[in-house]
Amino acid sequence: EVEVVESGGGLVQPGGSLRLSCAASAFTFSIYAMSWVRQAPGKGLEWVSSICGSDGSTYYSDSVKGRFTISRDNSKNTLYLQMNNLRAEDTALYYCAKNVRESCYSAFDYWGQGTLVTVSS
Amino acid sequence: DIVMTQSPDSLAMSLGERATINCKSSQSVFHSSNNKNYFAWYQQKPGQSPKLLIHWASTRESGVPDRFSGSGSGTDFTLTISSLQAEDVAIYYCQQYYGTPFTFGPGTKVDIK
Repeated sequence: EVEVVESGGGLVQPGGSLRLSCAASAFTFSIYAMSWVRQAPGKGLEWVSSICGSDGSTYYSDSVKGRFTISRDNSKNTLYLQMNNLRAEDTALYYCAKNVRESCYSAFDYWGQGTLVTVSS
Repeated sequence: DIVMTQSPDSLAMSLGERATINCKSSQSVFHSSNNKNYFAWYQQKPGQSPKLLIHWASTRESGVPDRFSGSGSGTDFTLTISSLQAEDVAIYYCQQYYGTPFTFGPGTKVDIK
């Protein structure tokens, strides 16, 4: 069964860094686009970033552009999100999601349970 | 950015009733090159991760009960639950993946009356 499992969340001070990981299994990871979506406590869903499966193109929301970097290691079936210069408003549950197809312009069909990032002094 | 709006904010229906949720995008998400609407519906039950119900506006995901259906095109979309069940209590989000940033609606909370 398709599974994506996030890790790496935690408590970090403003200005700090974290790297999230997402381990994928039971599908051909390299083919599919992958994405990060976050949800602040008690709030709705916010798309953060996507990396395409075809050419590895990357896309970011304006709120994280220049601070976050999405990457993938197809040999390890793992997706990453390097988060630098974290702000209080980055506090959220971060979901890893598999896209329906290789194009980033597709829906998210499998989601992990999320990893919580808390930015606070 | 494409802004997604949903109505109503919440609804409470009796078991077995029909529930309808509307979503409007600030610009068309229809791609004439492939005749597809780059639009999806997700369900998020309390304490759970979101689940994809419908993409391409009307294509139901495998395993999703057929009481869920999606319709609409361009800028106006509808999710219909034909006969509301207790397990359908959730927040429902619409999303466009036509252009970045990929944006979600604010959600519609569905409860049982």
